[in-house]
Amino acid sequence: GIQVEQSPPDLILQEGANSTLRCNFSDSVNNLQWFHQNPWGQLINLFYIPSGTKQNGRLSATTVATERYSLLYISSSQTTDSGVYFCAVGEIKETSGSRLTFGEGTQLTVNP
Amino acid sequence: KAGVTQTPRYLIKTRGQQVTLSCSPISGHRSVSWYQQTPGQGLQFLFEYFSETQRNKGNFPGRFSGRQFSNSRSEMNVSTLELGDSALYLCASGRWTSTDTQYFGPGTRLTVL
Repeated sequence: GIQVEQSPPDLILQEGANSTLRCNFSDSVNNLQWFHQNPWGQLINLFYIPSGTKQNGRLSATTVATERYSLLYISSSQTTDSGVYFCAVGEIKETSGSRLTFGEGTQLTVNP
Repeated sequence: KAGVTQTPRYLIKTRGQQVTLSCSPISGHRSVSWYQQTPGQGLQFLFEYFSETQRNKGNFPGRFSGRQFSNSRSEMNVSTLELGDSALYLCASGRWTSTDTQYFGPGTRLTVL
């Protein structure tokens, strides 16, 4: 099956700093999503971005499907950005249905 | 539009028991997927149901099963619970294809003693 690697595994920032999280995947995909897991465990949708670039406030994401990677940018970080960020991909297979394969996540800590 | 709901939110069981978790998808969504999250294994796909049919299954033992009803609500069942089944169980809702955005519920945290 498809492999998903996220880096870095841990990231510690001071409030106001910028950061870039990376997601590499091993095969062609037709779905790529970025999630933020809140302290209660819920996965919050950030972006649906199988290709191209999107922006939402201080967050933006870029996926280069031909090179099999995606980047999540967080600018002017705030303490509320702390948590685990996951990248999840869906394979281009008729049999895969709506299955997502997750990376191991990046644990982000933003200190005041 | 209401989000994905899961019940119960927390559950404590003992080894050997069985458990049933419930998931109600977003209105109009016909695909429901289940995932298990543990510290050691991360987020792993359990199975997916679409229009009451299991469309895809992950690599879990037969003790894990599920079903979907005609209103798209889904249940998953774990029989003969083991300590290693302690996990956060997350349900995701989508329209119908892998190209659709998947929306997750708040999860059910299962503890097996």
